[in-house]
Amino acid sequence: DVQLVESGGDLVQPGGSLKLSCAASGFAFSGSAMYWVRQASGKGPEWLGRIRTRPNNYATSYAASVRGRFTISRDDSKNATYLQMNSLKIDDTAVYYCATKAAITSDMYRYFDLWGRGTLVTVSS
Amino acid sequence: DIQMTQSPSSLSASIGDRVAITCRASQAIDNYLVWYQQKPGRAPKLLIYAASTLHNGVPSRFSGSGSETEFTLSISSLQPEDFATYYCQQTYSSPLTFGGGTRVDVK
Repeated sequence: DVQLVESGGDLVQPGGSLKLSCAASGFAFSGSAMYWVRQASGKGPEWLGRIRTRPNNYATSYAASVRGRFTISRDDSKNATYLQMNSLKIDDTAVYYCATKAAITSDMYRYFDLWGRGTLVTVSS
Repeated sequence: DIQMTQSPSSLSASIGDRVAITCRASQAIDNYLVWYQQKPGRAPKLLIYAASTLHNGVPSRFSGSGSETEFTLSISSLQPEDFATYYCQQTYSSPLTFGGGTRVDVK
């Protein structure tokens, strides 16, 4: 099956750290940029960042809200991407999704046609 | 960062109604605009990309239009399964920002 499965969500105290994982299957993972998006309860999605592919030097980009605290990585041998979250704040409480453009197309349009189910991160004392 | 503003934030409609949702970008984004549908407890689902290209399997009652700063998602005849929240997203430049959403519920 073509799917993404996130894991690692938990209850963590403010200032703590957590590492989320996203396991991919059924598509050309190594050729796909991978993205992380979060959604707080009752709010719209928030793009957190992305990691490109090996030919693009695994370049990363982050939203200002998480830059310097969150790090995206990937392991193409395991078809997985990761989100390391440090210095967590109460406002980081959300469902965290990984997402990608799984379709192989010749166009340059970015869109997320494949999402995981999400994993819940709760930051609270 | 490019700000995306959707209107209305919510609307009530009946089965068979035509519905239109607007998304405005704070700067020109060509046609790098994506629409998603989201139902409670589920991940967003891709509907339209490149402003007007229907994703595989999306019913033809959905359509998208617009360019640069103003975009519209239309549903020609609302069906029961269309009651959901709709989000636009610009993919012109990082960060790939989303709109605040439009909730479509039963009138």
